Amino acid sequence: DTEVTQTPKHLVMGMTNKKSLKCEQHMGHRAMYWYKQKAKKPPELMFVYSYEKLSINESVPSRFSPECPNSSLLNLHLHALQPEDSALYLCASSSPTRTHEQYFGPGTRLTVT
Amino acid sequence: GDSVTQMEGPVTLSEEAFLTINCTYTATGYPSLFWYVQYPGEGLQLLLKATKADDKGSNKGFEATYRKETTSFHLEKGSVQVSDSAVYFCALTRNTGGFKTIFGAGTRLFVKA
Repeated sequence: DTEVTQTPKHLVMGMTNKKSLKCEQHMGHRAMYWYKQKAKKPPELMFVYSYEKLSINESVPSRFSPECPNSSLLNLHLHALQPEDSALYLCASSSPTRTHEQYFGPGTRLTVT
Repeated sequence: GDSVTQMEGPVTLSEEAFLTINCTYTATGYPSLFWYVQYPGEGLQLLLKATKADDKGSNKGFEATYRKETTSFHLEKGSVQVSDSAVYFCALTRNTGGFKTIFGAGTRLFVKA
């Protein structure tokens, strides 16, 4: 199984809402990532978890709060977002080897109104 | 700092034409290099990888060679198909001096029947 799943596929939320994005993998990978991708742009790294511990936070605003409950799950909690946060949010995972080849989920298309 | 530079698109080719998408990089240490492909409305898929100088990655008729002397990792395919139409991202990952993963801007490929 080389699949990373993400839910929901689409999400529309207001600026005062609280919502969560979910990501799951069953490949035994111990590194998991959140990326933000705007239209016609490359993915931008937001967070990295390694062995369920947050290892990288790329200066992401606190209205995005990641959580890694176990080695298979990764959440991204959203609160008080801005319209400019509308984007495709991608989750990825990788084996903790030197190569760091990443397997991506299909993404959650987020629209903030 | 680290960077990845790809040729600007879009690239438009006829079916069975030869494809080259140029990619050059700057990085600390010895990064691993990747090509990812993104089809419309989907996440990224790993296309091929190379982890050290002179390695050749290949998959589905695509090839790229890790050239340290020219800091390049150009993507090639001998005969493209309409189904190859997508956005292609060159990327590097390194762990020297801290983890880093960087994507190029992406090159959109259109293949006409």
